[in-house]
Amino acid sequence: KNEVEQSPQNLTAQEGEFITINCSYSVGISALHWLQQHPGGGIVSLFMLSSGKKKHGRLIATINIQEKHSSLHITASHPRDSAVYICAVVRLETSGSRLTFGEGTQLTVNP
Amino acid sequence: DGGITQSPKYLFRKEGQNVTLSCEQNLNHDAMYWYRQDPGQGLRLIYYSQIVNDFQKGDIAEGYSVSREKKESFPLTVTSAQKNPTAFYLCASTKGGTYYGYTFGSGTRLTVV
Repeated sequence: KNEVEQSPQNLTAQEGEFITINCSYSVGISALHWLQQHPGGGIVSLFMLSSGKKKHGRLIATINIQEKHSSLHITASHPRDSAVYICAVVRLETSGSRLTFGEGTQLTVNP
Repeated sequence: DGGITQSPKYLFRKEGQNVTLSCEQNLNHDAMYWYRQDPGQGLRLIYYSQIVNDFQKGDIAEGYSVSREKKESFPLTVTSAQKNPTAFYLCASTKGGTYYGYTFGSGTRLTVV
């Protein structure tokens, strides 16, 4: 079983819909990152969370450390939101910090 | 603005040739990392460096080499020993120690033909 699980793997929505992508993890973490990967591969960092909730434009990210779960929400989705969304957890180890990535959620928003 | 620069975005090489991917950061970060992404899989750690002139193997280091001669630069060489080099490669950095905020490059997509 992967240490970081994302669901769903694939998600298709109509423009304007509210979207939720989930990330569950099985290890103790210090923080969690949400990344966006556009077609063609470029990575954009969306959020870093260690507790609570963050909002940027139409994107909202939440994390519940006790339940080992994070969600990424997109309000009023648009075709330009079509991308792969990746969560990555940060663990602090004696040798420094380490990132473990989920496999990503492919989001397609149709007009 | 500070950040990580990976170049080029797309790279094509013939089979059997070594190729070096560039990663430069101007964030004064101590730790730098290389990851590989294959279709349907999460990003996996190739090599990392916590300090200049020192680096460690990650989970999939075979067929790769790195150097860390300068704090701001962490180039990755994909050697001919790497059996399946075609992939997306991502560089990341962090201050190190107990700091957990990472900065990510935009990635390089390598295709070997």
